[in-house]
Amino acid sequence: DGGITQSPKYLFRKEGQNVTLSCEQNLNHDAMYWYRQDPGQGLRLIYYSQIVNDFQKGDIAEGYSVSREKKESFPLTVTSAQKNPTAFYLCASGDWDRWRAEAFFGQGTRLTVV
Amino acid sequence: AQSVTQLDSQVPVFEEAPVELRCNYSSSVSVYLFWYVQYPNQGLQLLLKYLSGSTLVKGINGFEAEFNKSQTSFHLRKPSVHISDTAEYFCAVRANTGNQFYFGTGTSLTVIP
Repeated sequence: DGGITQSPKYLFRKEGQNVTLSCEQNLNHDAMYWYRQDPGQGLRLIYYSQIVNDFQKGDIAEGYSVSREKKESFPLTVTSAQKNPTAFYLCASGDWDRWRAEAFFGQGTRLTVV
Repeated sequence: AQSVTQLDSQVPVFEEAPVELRCNYSSSVSVYLFWYVQYPNQGLQLLLKYLSGSTLVKGINGFEAEFNKSQTSFHLRKPSVHISDTAEYFCAVRANTGNQFYFGTGTSLTVIP
């Protein structure tokens, strides 16, 4: 089955540690996205990538980093510089033809700082 | 850039009653419009989308939405809700020439038995 796989589903991090969230897609999509979701705030864009080896900052990129070395993979690193990392993180991908245009989402990773 | 406003953060409705979830957007260019549903601790699932053509769009689970260009709205409706419709609903917009999505803050629909 084609889709987007995020892992792990739950992640606990100690303060001051970096942690990496995995996102893999087998939909052959060019574009991939990372969103952060907090209660009552909707989805906020962290980073997006339109093509391999290229990515752009979104609205809340500070304290996060990404890489896009392969078309299928777009890992997100939450660094110790992110002051309030506890949130639900969603990865998405998309391809832009006239009959689709929507984003496809993974099941999310819930990160908790302990 | 585009933006989306979902006017109601919470909507309680009795089972088998009709419901409308409101969405307004702003954009200086033509857009694509989407409604997504999210169940607790899960990702977003596409309900329906408007790309072009007929302004009345039908989606999964009996939902439909109407694109109104003059009012810049894309309200979601269902004539009779079920308990299983309890979830968070997000409206989103994308410029038809761009790759970024803009999401509303979500509407929490609670269906009361």
